[in-house]
Amino acid sequence: EPEVTQTPSHQVTQMGQEVILRCVPISNHLYFYWYRQILGQKVEFLVSFYNNEISEKSEIFDDQFSVERPDGSNFTLKIRSTKLEDSAMYFCASTLRNSLNEKLFFGSGTQLSVL
Amino acid sequence: KNEVEQSPQNLTAQEGEFITINCSYSVGISALHWLQQHPGGGIVSLFMLSSGKKKHGRLIATINIQEKHSSLHITASHPRDSAVYICAVTGNQFYFGTGTSLTVIP
Repeated sequence: EPEVTQTPSHQVTQMGQEVILRCVPISNHLYFYWYRQILGQKVEFLVSFYNNEISEKSEIFDDQFSVERPDGSNFTLKIRSTKLEDSAMYFCASTLRNSLNEKLFFGSGTQLSVL
Repeated sequence: KNEVEQSPQNLTAQEGEFITINCSYSVGISALHWLQQHPGGGIVSLFMLSSGKKKHGRLIATINIQEKHSSLHITASHPRDSAVYICAVTGNQFYFGTGTSLTVIP
């Protein structure tokens, strides 16, 4: 079965540093998402992306966050100046069509630790 | 406030038991997802429902739109079913439940 792949699996960074989390969605999928899960808490929606622009974003997705699809395969989440509270597991997902009626395909996540 | 509530939070069952996990939501939705999160953290989509009932192997998911309620049933539970089961809904954005941690004992 096709997979969403995320790299790196673990990222450790110092507070204030920029990090880029990378995702390769399933090749024919058109809708892309980032979620995060702080340890022991529920999964939270960050942002959805379609046709090279953000379609929805949550309150969490502030000016420190940005997303980009720099080429035909990668989908990245950048955190400009990391804070301690950004430590979480970040999941990328993709769907073929609009997610309202589509099964989500998740990557295995990037564990971000901000020290 | 929690737009999605799940019960129970934790569930321990003996192998072979029939399991039910419940999800209630308070927002208007277009679809409801049941997800499985493995102990290692990975998330797998089990079902996407907008009405009625779906079945896949030993898993059955139902939704009642009028009552804003969904259930996930596992028949003949097995230790490999041990995981966190998450209910998520799509309205104007995604809302996730806090998950139900299931442990199936041999």
